[in-house]
Amino acid sequence: GAVVSQHPSRVICKSGTSVKIECRSLDFQATTMFWYRQFPKQSLMLMATSNEGSKATYEQGVEKDKFLINHASLTLSTLTVTSAHPEDSSFYICSARRLAGGPNEQFFGPGTRLTVL
Amino acid sequence: AQTVTQSQPEMSVQEAETVTLSCTYDTSESNYYLFWYKQPPSRQMILVIRQEAYKQQNATENRFSVNFQKAAKSFSLKISDSQLGDTAMYFCAFMKHANNDMRFGAGTRLTVKP
Repeated sequence: GAVVSQHPSRVICKSGTSVKIECRSLDFQATTMFWYRQFPKQSLMLMATSNEGSKATYEQGVEKDKFLINHASLTLSTLTVTSAHPEDSSFYICSARRLAGGPNEQFFGPGTRLTVL
Repeated sequence: AQTVTQSQPEMSVQEAETVTLSCTYDTSESNYYLFWYKQPPSRQMILVIRQEAYKQQNATENRFSVNFQKAAKSFSLKISDSQLGDTAMYFCAFMKHANNDMRFGAGTRLTVKP
């Protein structure tokens, strides 16, 4: 149990276009989902926290108009990178916290590799 | 703000031997969780072990155990009988109980040599 999926697993886009990444909790409901960014050979940096039905909370330095987050249901959160540029190329990882029951932890998706040309 | 420090960027160990990865953290919180995650080349984050701060007993999961020193804010991971499949990046993480805000250390790249 506690499986989180991400789609797509990798995407290549042209500079100036927008890209949407989906994060789904497959076998549990998630009150909260988290979005992380990981540059090569670096650690995970929290970008934002999204709660179902409310606005996401962004970390300092993360542009909320560039990284749009929608948590429309208890099993789906989306991250849209708007007007992507090469510096947005990175590995994006989502995680989800279970609604109730079980240990207090985050379950991670397999990540999405974004390459902006 | 919470900070997590992993002072060993890279480590190596011979197969079947024991290795310890270090992690220190800084927080004013009293209720929190600590984790060790493994990230193999696939980049999938895999939970290795977790520790609740209120528990004095060190967590153990098969070959993996921690040395949790709350007063010293230290949380090291010991891997016994190292296996080739243990080769990966290992991240120490701190999570506040209140909002599940998770912060990661910079990571330690572990290589298990045959």
